[in-house]
Amino acid sequence: NAGVTQTPKFRILKIGQSMTLQCAQDMNHNYMYWYRQDPGMGLKLIYYSVGAGITDKGEVPNGYNVSRSTTEDFPLRLELAAPSQTSVYFCASSYGKQEAFFGQGTRLTVV
Amino acid sequence: DQQVKQNSPSLSVQEGRISILNCDYTNSMFDYFLWYKKYPAEGPTFLISISSIKDKNEDGRFTVFLNKSAKHLSLHIVPSQPGDSAVYFCAARANNNAGNMLTFGGGTRLMVKP
Repeated sequence: NAGVTQTPKFRILKIGQSMTLQCAQDMNHNYMYWYRQDPGMGLKLIYYSVGAGITDKGEVPNGYNVSRSTTEDFPLRLELAAPSQTSVYFCASSYGKQEAFFGQGTRLTVV
Repeated sequence: DQQVKQNSPSLSVQEGRISILNCDYTNSMFDYFLWYKKYPAEGPTFLISISSIKDKNEDGRFTVFLNKSAKHLSLHIVPSQPGDSAVYFCAARANNNAGNMLTFGGGTRLMVKP
């Protein structure tokens, strides 16, 4: 019963590098989300998806891209990493508008 | 523009006593509110929620109160236990929200002393 699985748990990137944060859920949830949490702040929504093939921007989408080719997977892509993207990233999923289940997070540092 | 605010960054309570965590919001379109609990190095976990048609929801030791006129909600934990020590986030959802987007407060770190 894995729930929401995020990989990697930690990553250090150099400015300008790119990477993909992986997220998979095994609960057959149709909604999936990516949030970021900066120190001392609440979580802010980057992108969300209400089903396979459908994605939409959240509050802070600039510098990120997502895709949702399957119900289970929702990867987040950073194309040109910047120091402002240093954060903890959380993937989450839900069944419709029920409460969201979160992964353990990916701590990303851009230097 | 913070639409959801938790004005107390931290709270310290003795084991067995009541913990009261507060949350204020500004957006009158919010109609559903949630509390999440977060331990270090883990993701947030859902704790309790309340719809705007209610003013109280109770689940075991946890009760959430909603005062719509004051745009204020609070989470009561009675009795508090050391295992309750965590960061608590208040979150809100607007009724015109197609994507179930949540707006989070900044969190309150609760420390329950044995």
